[in-house]
Amino acid sequence: ETGVTQTPRHLVMGMTNKKSLKCEQHLGHNAMYWYKQSAKKPLELMFVYSLEERVENNSVPSRFSPECPNSSHLFLHLHTLQPEDSALYLCASSQGPLGTDTQYFGPGTRLTVL
Amino acid sequence: KNQVEQSPQSLIILEGKNCTLQCNYTVSPFSNLRWYKQDTGRGPVSLTIMTFSENTKSNGRYTATLDADTKQSSLHITASQLSDSASYICVVSPTYSSASKIIFGSGTRLSIRP
Repeated sequence: ETGVTQTPRHLVMGMTNKKSLKCEQHLGHNAMYWYKQSAKKPLELMFVYSLEERVENNSVPSRFSPECPNSSHLFLHLHTLQPEDSALYLCASSQGPLGTDTQYFGPGTRLTVL
Repeated sequence: KNQVEQSPQSLIILEGKNCTLQCNYTVSPFSNLRWYKQDTGRGPVSLTIMTFSENTKSNGRYTATLDADTKQSSLHITASQLSDSASYICVVSPTYSSASKIIFGSGTRLSIRP
């Protein structure tokens, strides 16, 4: 599937590094999301954007900084992360930001913080 | 508190056999329930979606059932194949809510052995 793409697929970084995750959707959707998926835990919603406006921020630490320059692109800027931030970060998009809209997920970025 | 619980946590079956995965939820009021399949290293992909008025929905060898009275859903896989090895995630959306209120289960990890 190429509807939602994410880069890089794998990232290893130190706690003092700064890196960015990129997500692009080719589905013409208006809403985009960042999720964190840790082993054996449910997906945790981090941020929701609708028409490039941030509509939700689920108490995410400031070391995670999202950016949505347009409705097709979403970034997650990372700085001074902690080892417990190691997880699979998933991007998703949907037609709208409602619970009735089906979300389409990207393949994820596997992040390891040393 | 809105919750989604899935069982079993993991399951191993032989190729060709059938299996059933369970999902119990306490989300109220209820709008829809989805089953997602997540292959290793990939993002979740939607298999079925059911509203409160639907009892069953099929997608090939996958059949989902819903009992809105007991707040239970099941995903039945018929004649399993090696490619069915994946995590299966139950997702419930409350009525008239944003995507930020969607509740994800922890998933069932299914392994198909040849």
